[in-house]
Amino acid sequence: DAGVTQSPTHLIKTRGQHVTLRCSPISGHKSVSWYQQVLGQGPQFIFQYYEKEERGRGNFPDRFSARQFPNYSSELNVNALLLGDSALYLCASSLDRLGGYTFGSGTRLTVV
Amino acid sequence: QQQVKQSPQSLIVQKGGISIINCAYENTAFDYFPWYQQFPGKGPALLIAIRPDVSEKKEGRFTISFNKSAKQFSLHIMDSQPGDSATYFCAARSRDDKIIFGKGTRLHILP
Repeated sequence: DAGVTQSPTHLIKTRGQHVTLRCSPISGHKSVSWYQQVLGQGPQFIFQYYEKEERGRGNFPDRFSARQFPNYSSELNVNALLLGDSALYLCASSLDRLGGYTFGSGTRLTVV
Repeated sequence: QQQVKQSPQSLIVQKGGISIINCAYENTAFDYFPWYQQFPGKGPALLIAIRPDVSEKKEGRFTISFNKSAKQFSLHIMDSQPGDSATYFCAARSRDDKIIFGKGTRLHILP
């Protein structure tokens, strides 16, 4: 069985640009969450979607947005990139809100 | 405000020894406490988890001890092996489904 897949694996962007990160959850998982992990820190919650509806949002600026598609895959969009947005962006999926989350390997975003 | 405090930041243990990582939380509304293991270049992997109505859970060499009144929980790795060398995160899930992570412990097992 395929796990949570994220694309791309690595990305370099320039300040002010826009980026779209993609996530495919484990088959059958309806809940997708996004996390930002800065080097040396624990992951920080950005968004959670369940059945295509936003169920939670972390303390991130409006430059961050996300959506979930009918097939439960998800996109994270970040506008007007800042140097401080450089991080590993993790996607996690779960069957429902009661289950444990399975994380993908992440997208390493570098903003220069 | 850090809702889940983890210690130590780093830990060195001899092969065959016991590795112990401690965490404390503040929010009594947390309802699920997972531990994650992360290797370089990989996402966190769920290791073991516990609910607050249970005081201990054991899976193989990994044990969680949970003290609800003290709002503390810990991970014990018995017979630690070099392959256990990784970063470990304790975490807590809030009622609105956010997973709040600790800052992590870098564990190194000496061969």
